[in-house]
Amino acid sequence: GAGVSQSPSNKVTEKGKDVELRCDPISGHTALYWYRQSLGQGLEFLIYFQGNSAPDKSGLPSDRFSAERTGGSVSTLTIQRTQQEDSAVYLCASNRGHVDTQYFGPGTRLTVL
Amino acid sequence: KQEVTQIPAALSVPEGENLVLNCSFTDSAIYNLQWFRQDPGKGLTSLLLIQSSQREQTSGRLNASLDKSSGRSTLYIAASQPGDSATYLCAVKIGGNQFYFGTGTSLTVIP
Repeated sequence: GAGVSQSPSNKVTEKGKDVELRCDPISGHTALYWYRQSLGQGLEFLIYFQGNSAPDKSGLPSDRFSAERTGGSVSTLTIQRTQQEDSAVYLCASNRGHVDTQYFGPGTRLTVL
Repeated sequence: KQEVTQIPAALSVPEGENLVLNCSFTDSAIYNLQWFRQDPGKGLTSLLLIQSSQREQTSGRLNASLDKSSGRSTLYIAASQPGDSATYLCAVKIGGNQFYFGTGTSLTVIP
């Protein structure tokens, strides 16, 4: 079946612009995660959605970052007033719950000029 | 805060060798531990998932062990092949929703 998909695969933007990154999880997966992977760094947890519960936003680095998940499926990560340090690969993952492995999308490479 | 360390950062071996990758974590109160591989420009692919009550998991040429008390996990790759070349990441899940990832070991298997 289809895996986790993300779009766009690459995004180049100018400093100060807003960007939206999209994640389509595997159908039926109730949990969705966003991570950021900066060059030479490990994956950094950003936000977690589980079903209809309030999301865990504890990993968001600043109030310029926000995410929503509509209808328990597609999620959008929004970065407002982008900064150069936001340049990274943004990865999305989904699974069926906390005992399940995570299934990752291919990521969106964001470059802020 | 949970910290996850992977040693070595990079490893190069000739084809056919057996090898061990190491992962250590500072807080033993984990829910599970996963090993992933990441190919350049790609997302992560799960290799093995070990629940906190388990000691090891095996899949083909891969074997992962978990010693919670010492905060360590190893990934053993038998008879390495050039197709095994990738970055290997371990991640631990603590209570709640967060996974903590190591920075990975970059493996190159030389034909």
